[in-house]
Amino acid sequence: DGGITQSPKYLFRKEGQNVTLSCEQNLNHDAMYWYRQDPGQGLRLIYYSQIVNDFQKGDIAEGYSVSREKKESFPLTVTSAQKNPTAFYLCASRGLAGYEQYFGPGTRLTVT
Amino acid sequence: DQQVKQNSPSLSVQEGRISILNCDYTNSMFDYFLWYKKYPAEGPTFLISISSIKDKNEDGRFTVFLNKSAKHLSLHIVPSQPGDSAVYFCAANVLLTGNQFYFGTGTSLTVIP
Repeated sequence: DGGITQSPKYLFRKEGQNVTLSCEQNLNHDAMYWYRQDPGQGLRLIYYSQIVNDFQKGDIAEGYSVSREKKESFPLTVTSAQKNPTAFYLCASRGLAGYEQYFGPGTRLTVT
Repeated sequence: DQQVKQNSPSLSVQEGRISILNCDYTNSMFDYFLWYKKYPAEGPTFLISISSIKDKNEDGRFTVFLNKSAKHLSLHIVPSQPGDSAVYFCAANVLLTGNQFYFGTGTSLTVIP
């Protein structure tokens, strides 16, 4: 089945540790996105990538890093510099000919 | 600055009645609008969209209306069903650039059986 997978669904880390969230898609989509959702807030864009080896900062990129070495994969690293990393993280992809984004199931990150 | 706003955090509707979810935007450059539905602990799923060249788009029980002069769009669900209970996000995009989507804060719809 075609789709977007994010793993793991729940992730727990100690403060001060970097953590990498996985996002894989087999939809052959060129564009991929990372969003963060906090209670009572909409989806806020962290980073996006239109093509391999290229990515752009979104509205809240500070404390995060990404890579796009393969078309199918767009991992997000939450660094220790992120002040409030506990959140629900969503990955999405979009084909260049399409208008809507397709979302993965999300990863709930808890940092204590 | 929130460019897409959903001012009603929640809405309750009786089963079989109409649900109307509202969304306002501030950026007149937006020319494509989408509605997503989200269940708890899941990713949003695309529901319906509308281009700024139209003022209405219909798909089964779901209709989206766009009022460009008022910078306002609404999603109508009729008849509402208990399975429609979810959080609904509206999103906006500038097709020419196409890269960044701006999301509202969501409206939690509860359909009461």
